[in-house]
Amino acid sequence: AQSVTQPDIHITVSEGASLELRCNYSYGATPYLFWYVQSPGQGLQLLLKYFSGDTLVQGIKGFEAEFKRSQSSFNLRKPSVHWSDAAEYFCAVGSAIKAAGNKLTFGGGTRVLVKP
Amino acid sequence: NAGVTQTPKFQVLKTGQSMTLQCAQDMNHNSMYWYRQDPGMGLRLIYYSASEGTTDKGEVPNGYNVSRLNKREFSLRLESAAPSQTSVYFCASRARGNQPQHFGDGTRLSIL
Repeated sequence: AQSVTQPDIHITVSEGASLELRCNYSYGATPYLFWYVQSPGQGLQLLLKYFSGDTLVQGIKGFEAEFKRSQSSFNLRKPSVHWSDAAEYFCAVGSAIKAAGNKLTFGGGTRVLVKP
Repeated sequence: NAGVTQTPKFQVLKTGQSMTLQCAQDMNHNSMYWYRQDPGMGLRLIYYSASEGTTDKGEVPNGYNVSRLNKREFSLRLESAAPSQTSVYFCASRARGNQPQHFGDGTRLSIL
């Protein structure tokens, strides 16, 4: 069974500082990996996705993530955080098996607080 | 530019009452999903519909039923609500192939 672990429940970062959110997954084959962001009271918005190819993936809002198969990780990074980046971030692993409905398994989320 | 629309946005129920949460998407997506979100647990899949006319159980289906009414609409029903079903419910849809899921804004449900 697939699973996702986000070790950090909360992270506080100063505006302008760099941010890295950790994600570790367990999956029996090549995974499809996603990062979503959720602002308070809102739904989830896709930041970026990895299916295959280049292991460094660029997303929206200046975010990037790196797929490391040897470490079963897909960490999210941003070089300089803005106050508007305060939100909850979810990593998810997807099944590529069509018969399985291409389901997603989510991590527990990391809440990011940005200090002025 | 509606995307995935969920109704209602908020609801309070009493234990034992029934309710249907509605979800509609206007992106011509094939697959639709219902999740619940609880603090510290991320999103957990309740039911999904890989295509029109099919539905399957997810990780936490007990106490819920679903109907894929047509390609656009996928409803979630609580037949006899319990306090443990207090949660935020999200509907999502996905096109064919290697495409991500698109989410609605959620329904916040409290059961007293």
